[in-house]
Amino acid sequence: KAGVTQTPRYLIKTRGQQVTLSCSPISGHRSVSWYQQTPGQGLQFLFEYFSETQRNKGNFPGRFSGRQFSNSRSEMNVSTLELGDSALYLCASSPRTDNTGELFFGEGSRLTVL
Amino acid sequence: SQQGEEDPQALSIQEGENATMNCSYKTSINNLQWYRQNSGRGLVHLILIRSNEREKHSGRLRVTLDTSKKSSSLLITASRAADTASYFCAPSNYGGATNKLIFGTGTLLAVQP
Repeated sequence: KAGVTQTPRYLIKTRGQQVTLSCSPISGHRSVSWYQQTPGQGLQFLFEYFSETQRNKGNFPGRFSGRQFSNSRSEMNVSTLELGDSALYLCASSPRTDNTGELFFGEGSRLTVL
Repeated sequence: SQQGEEDPQALSIQEGENATMNCSYKTSINNLQWYRQNSGRGLVHLILIRSNEREKHSGRLRVTLDTSKKSSSLLITASRAADTASYFCAPSNYGGATNKLIFGTGTLLAVQP
């Protein structure tokens, strides 16, 4: 079974631009979560989707948005990029919906904002 | 879910030694998970221990849970250079339909060859 796939793995943007990151969960997993990891703030929860519905959202500005498609693939978008958005963005999937099992993480998308 | 706090923040040992890292949390939980992250990579799930379990083993890993002290420990025996990574705990309670986990700052383990 293929693991969680995140694309692109690395990208460089400039301030003010926008970026879209993609996540393909493990086949059969309908729950997808996104996390941002920075040296200063550590791992922070962004949002969680299940069956195309956002179930949970972290404390991030409205510039951060996401969505999930009917095939469970998910995208997140960051508009009007700021230097502080430079981070590793991690996606995780799960076949469960209630914290009773593990999360399966992708390798992440490393975003650098110049 | 709630945040766990890992201790120590950093740990340096020699290959072959055992490594112990701890996790404390504040309120009651249903389970607690440990994850490993190699530098710049995704997190890998190591082990999940339920609140009614006191100890769990997986290969060279041993996890204990003391719900009365609201703490857990992860022991890696006979460590290898490949164990060099950050380790995170994630305590969790079943608060409805969510998989949200809150991670602490982790323990950075360096295993010297």
